[in-house]
Amino acid sequence: DVKVTQSSRYLVKRTGEKVFLECVQDMDHENMFWYRQDPGLGLRLIYFSYDVKMKEKGDIPEGYSVSREKKERFSLILESASTNQTSMYLCASSTPDRGQETQYFGPGTRLLVL
Amino acid sequence: SQQGEEDPQALSIQEGENATMNCSYKTSINNLQWYRQNSGRGLVHLILIRSNEREKHSGRLRVTLDTSKKSSSLLITASRAADTASYFCALHFTGGGNKLTFGTGTQLKVEL
Repeated sequence: DVKVTQSSRYLVKRTGEKVFLECVQDMDHENMFWYRQDPGLGLRLIYFSYDVKMKEKGDIPEGYSVSREKKERFSLILESASTNQTSMYLCASSTPDRGQETQYFGPGTRLLVL
Repeated sequence: SQQGEEDPQALSIQEGENATMNCSYKTSINNLQWYRQNSGRGLVHLILIRSNEREKHSGRLRVTLDTSKKSSSLLITASRAADTASYFCALHFTGGGNKLTFGTGTQLKVEL
């Protein structure tokens, strides 16, 4: 079974802090994704990556950056956390499958910025 | 926004009843997927239907797709309390690479 793990389930940070959210997958997937989930808004794509050292902006990249130094690890960075970044963050991975890619999700990190 | 729209936003039924949730979208898709999320957890893939398919089954799940109306339905038959969760449609848009665009979700509560 594919396993996607996220470094923390719950995180509390202060405004202005630099925050790192780590995601690791163990199935050698090429594609990795970071979403945030907010009530009534569903999942919104922040950044994604199709390969090591490669990144693409999603729909809401402002205030975030990412790093993919190794294939199995995709990190989301909040350079200077703000209260409006309080949210549930979900990482996912997938592998190319002739247009039928399904995504495998981690358990999520619930971030509270005070 | 290309986001899928789901309705209803919330649905409460009795155990044993069927649950139907709908997803509508605006532009051409390669496939449409349904995911489930238990409270406070990650999403789990349930079923994928390709744009050239009209209906698909998996256990107690039945998915239909009407590309002319740009809509899909997920039917859960003989629901159980354990089906209580949020359900999301995810759209693989034509020309969208490997990205999925998720709907806003339907919260299903199945009561004993």
